[in-house]
Amino acid sequence: DTAVSQTPKYLVTQMGNDKSIKCEQNLGHDTMYWYKQDSKKFLKIMFSYNNKELIINETVPNRFSPKSPDKAHLNLHINSLELGDSAVYFCASSLGRGFLDTQYFGPGTRLTVL
Amino acid sequence: GIQVEQSPPDLILQEGANSTLRCNFSDSVNNLQWFHQNPWGQLINLFYIPSGTKQNGRLSATTVATERYSLLYISSSQTTDSGVYFCAVMDTGRRALTFGSGTRLQVQP
Repeated sequence: DTAVSQTPKYLVTQMGNDKSIKCEQNLGHDTMYWYKQDSKKFLKIMFSYNNKELIINETVPNRFSPKSPDKAHLNLHINSLELGDSAVYFCASSLGRGFLDTQYFGPGTRLTVL
Repeated sequence: GIQVEQSPPDLILQEGANSTLRCNFSDSVNNLQWFHQNPWGQLINLFYIPSGTKQNGRLSATTVATERYSLLYISSSQTTDSGVYFCAVMDTGRRALTFGSGTRLQVQP
């Protein structure tokens, strides 16, 4: 199936740990994104990469570090996890640089920090 | 940054009823999308509609860019339409979507 996929789907961890979430798209898109959805369902952009180049870096703590090994993958690494990091993290992709393109979302990763 | 307001925040319908969801935005946009987040959390793209009108089955959407609003119409609602509907826009100065707070729809049998 052509899609945006994320692993893992659920992640439960202790405060202070380091964890990674992986994202892959096989749509041939050039731009990938990470969004965070909080407990009130509010969605907010975190990062955006175009052809492995960082183009958006919102006011996200530097404990969050995106890595794009190639344009089909955008991983999110989180250091020293805090309770407030608990949320659902969505990866998305779009064909061009995003201006005039539909964004397609992955299934989300629910992160719970205990 | 651009502000996106959706109304109503909550909506309960009987199966078969029609509804209109509204999205107002505070600045010019070059990208507007409607999404449905189903009860399992999946975000499904419904329409890419920065202007004009589109229809897909029982759903249709209209964006009047000059007046900075978009409407999503759901006709003959079904229980599977339940979930949260998000409007998301991209203004000319950014390359990422700004989401509204959503309309939570519950369709009862």
